Amino acid sequence: LAKTTQPVSMDSYEGQEVNITCSHNNIATNDYITWYQQFPSQGPRFIIQGYKTKVTNEVASLFIPADRKSSTLSLPRVSLSDTAVYYCLVGDEVGGNEKLTFGTGTRLTIIP
Amino acid sequence: GAVVSQHPSRVICKSGTSVKIECRSLDFQATTMFWYRQFPKQSLMLMATSNEGSKATYEQGVEKDKFLINHASLTLSTLTVTSAHPEDSSFYICSARGWLAGATDTQYFGPGTRLTVL
Repeated sequence: LAKTTQPVSMDSYEGQEVNITCSHNNIATNDYITWYQQFPSQGPRFIIQGYKTKVTNEVASLFIPADRKSSTLSLPRVSLSDTAVYYCLVGDEVGGNEKLTFGTGTRLTIIP
Repeated sequence: GAVVSQHPSRVICKSGTSVKIECRSLDFQATTMFWYRQFPKQSLMLMATSNEGSKATYEQGVEKDKFLINHASLTLSTLTVTSAHPEDSSFYICSARGWLAGATDTQYFGPGTRLTVL
């Protein structure tokens, strides 16, 4: 199973851009990189998914270098409501079923 | 976006009883659903993978006779915690794998069910 490594925690001030980097050295050719956000006592919420280069949606951008051994989630102009745990996951084909393995995640705290 | 619901959101039961948790994909068909468990301040741990019409695949260390999973349709999977004990108290989260228009295949998570066993 592809394993991911992220910083355990990060702090940032409101209005700043936050970049969270994830390492996935053993990513497989067919794997996609997916980021989720989780608030306390809630299920994870899908943020963004990518395979290579750059992906952008209405809430975030995802930067993936050519070797795909890492990825960076970029949150523009964060607010207090962005305080949450962010998980980076890499899809892994097992017997035809893709299951995701959650790492420790990054606990992001936004400071007023 | 894709919506996955869980019912109940919270349940308290006595030790020795069984509890059923439902997971539904509301706007897409999910051939595969997953069940996770999350203890306080910890990450999600995958318990089992559930495929419609077939037996679930359990992760190592998860007792299949204790955590019964049924995936009877493309939109419904159930997890039954049999003879629950206080150590089974946890946050149970399901996810459904599916496609949204313009997006790749990914997993969408339910809101979770908080189980407390007295």
